[in-house]
Amino acid sequence: RKEVEQDPGPFNVPEGATVAFNCTYSNSASQSFFWYRQDCRKEPKLLMSVYSSGNEDGRFTAQLNRASQYISLLIRDSKLSDSATYLCVVGGGGGADGLTFGKGTHLIIQP
Amino acid sequence: GAGVSQTPSNKVTEKGKYVELRCDPISGHTALYWYRQSLGQGPEFLIYFQGTGAADDSGLPNDRFFAVRPEGSVSTLKIQRTERGDSAVYLCASSDPGRTDTQYFGPGTRLTVL
Repeated sequence: RKEVEQDPGPFNVPEGATVAFNCTYSNSASQSFFWYRQDCRKEPKLLMSVYSSGNEDGRFTAQLNRASQYISLLIRDSKLSDSATYLCVVGGGGGADGLTFGKGTHLIIQP
Repeated sequence: GAGVSQTPSNKVTEKGKYVELRCDPISGHTALYWYRQSLGQGPEFLIYFQGTGAADDSGLPNDRFFAVRPEGSVSTLKIQRTERGDSAVYLCASSDPGRTDTQYFGPGTRLTVL
């Protein structure tokens, strides 16, 4: 069973729309949760950490549901520059260990 | 400041050859990680160093893969007897000892085994 599962998409969304991604993780001992963004042929870059209380950074909102082992990302008022692959990521206890990545969800914002 | 750097950016080799991939982490970052990303997949964890020692090498696929970090800074990932299935982007990341939950990735080395 894949440890972090995401819908690979692609999600084709008009500019200005709101789009939501979800992922599920299998390891209930996971302690840290993130969304990374990866542009084509580039390295992953941290978009935001995810907390049970939910957190927001501008147009981006992330949410964690530990009971359901489910992580979400919401992008409001999408921009053309939001087109990328969004990677759902979980880490084990202590934070200083290898991260487990999902395959990523490919988002295409259309003008 | 300077980010994580990796060399070479691209490496083409023939099946059976030996390759070395280098990672130079952000200055002061004691934790260093290697990942491998195949086409259409997310990065896959290979090995984690804390200082000079490999704290977790459980992701190395087999004994053809080995990594070192002799002085606790630069790391080298070594692959012996390369196979076509080793073709991937090899990513290195480092993290600040005070913020170990955040990993900063280098641009990767694209390895192609012919």
